Amino acid sequence: DAGITQSPRHKVTETGTPVTLRCHQTENHRYMYWYRQDPGHGLRLIHYSYGVKDTDKGEVSDGYSVSRSKTEDFLLTLESATSSQTSVYFCAISELGTGGSQPQHFGDGTRLSIL
Amino acid sequence: QKEVEQNSGPLSVPEGAIASLNCTYSDRGSQSFFWYRQYSGKSPELIMSIYSNGDKEDGRFTAQLNKASQYVSLLIRDSQPSDSATYLCAVTHSGAGSYQLTFGKGTKLSVIP
Repeated sequence: DAGITQSPRHKVTETGTPVTLRCHQTENHRYMYWYRQDPGHGLRLIHYSYGVKDTDKGEVSDGYSVSRSKTEDFLLTLESATSSQTSVYFCAISELGTGGSQPQHFGDGTRLSIL
Repeated sequence: QKEVEQNSGPLSVPEGAIASLNCTYSDRGSQSFFWYRQYSGKSPELIMSIYSNGDKEDGRFTAQLNKASQYVSLLIRDSQPSDSATYLCAVTHSGAGSYQLTFGKGTKLSVIP
């Protein structure tokens, strides 16, 4: 299994509070991703990183920010959580392979409930 | 907008039968294609990768790719109840963002004992 640890695994918080989710990898992979998964929408990319301090927005980035100060850690922050951000959040990692192949490997997810 | 389409299912097959899962994609320049399996309450798990036209077999799984038709499929032979899960098709972006994936919404497979 890819060495990816997400923390916390479960969190319940209130609307308007800040929330930070952490993704830690031991694979030294260059690329890291944050997704959310909701019924009827599948996996949607929030933000991604292509190196230390190099990040960019994905499909559903509004209300989220990220930081990557070292290769192994990728943080996702909800500055002021809203109920619409209740979801399951997955971190994924990948590395350039032969011919540019890029399978992503996922962490176990964080189940976030915002009341 | 890059799109990946899958039938949501549920697809029900009897134990021992062949399950056929299909996926179409919109980005003609996509080069890499993946199938993930996701059990309820768990994270997606990579089960197959395919990069060139034709078939690729791995145990009971066969991935098929037809880039001209923008179509990729997954066959599961001798289906087992443990294969009951949601199967996600994922496709790389073309061009500079080729490390990014677009996922389909998944097909839920149920294997009936």
